[in-house]
Amino acid sequence: GAVVSQHPSRVICKSGTSVKIECRSLDFQATTMFWYRQFPKQSLMLMATSNEGSKATYEQGVEKDKFLINHASLTLSTLTVTSAHPEDSSFYICSASPGQFYNSPLHFGNGTRLTVT
Amino acid sequence: DAKTTQPPSMDCAEGRAANLPCNHSTISGNEYVYWYRQIHSQGPQYIIHGLKNNETNEMASLIITEDRKSSTLILPHATLRDTAVYYCIVRFITQGGSEKLVFGKGTKLTVNP
Repeated sequence: GAVVSQHPSRVICKSGTSVKIECRSLDFQATTMFWYRQFPKQSLMLMATSNEGSKATYEQGVEKDKFLINHASLTLSTLTVTSAHPEDSSFYICSASPGQFYNSPLHFGNGTRLTVT
Repeated sequence: DAKTTQPPSMDCAEGRAANLPCNHSTISGNEYVYWYRQIHSQGPQYIIHGLKNNETNEMASLIITEDRKSSTLILPHATLRDTAVYYCIVRFITQGGSEKLVFGKGTKLTVNP
């Protein structure tokens, strides 16, 4: 089945530094990938849609200059949290689909736990 | 905003069927209903999806009402490992042409021994 891999699974960084999270589709190509954030005991919140070869589409309230998304190939999207602050500590999850919209399930990575100290 | 509503929590006895309801009264004709579940600190796991016909796979069954305004996920023989948060999601296209999968709050299913 379709597999989405995220790396790293866990990262701790200091305030003010930047952190890059990778999302790869291992056995399929994905023109679109999605990035979510999840705080403890809350649901997943869609942050942005990553489009291969073009700019990402950000949800309202998500700072595009803080959360840089690059989708340089059909199997890789990266999310860079710039100038991280403790309030950016969260669980970041990416997803991708091997097919066209509606009738193709989105598959999710196992998430990246970011802790900013 | 999520287009679905679910009860916040449910309990089920091990070995019994778990029936998880979902309301999606504003669903459009070409929008699919997806079900995912999330076990603590993991990414969501795909379970099943459907448009208007009932669906069954090795994990679960999905029953969609004729008017498509609600659906029920059925885990026929729940096990302790089925304890998770279950999300019912409508996958839709925005006015701008992009697609979205917006999560609601889900149902926390606890399977009891």
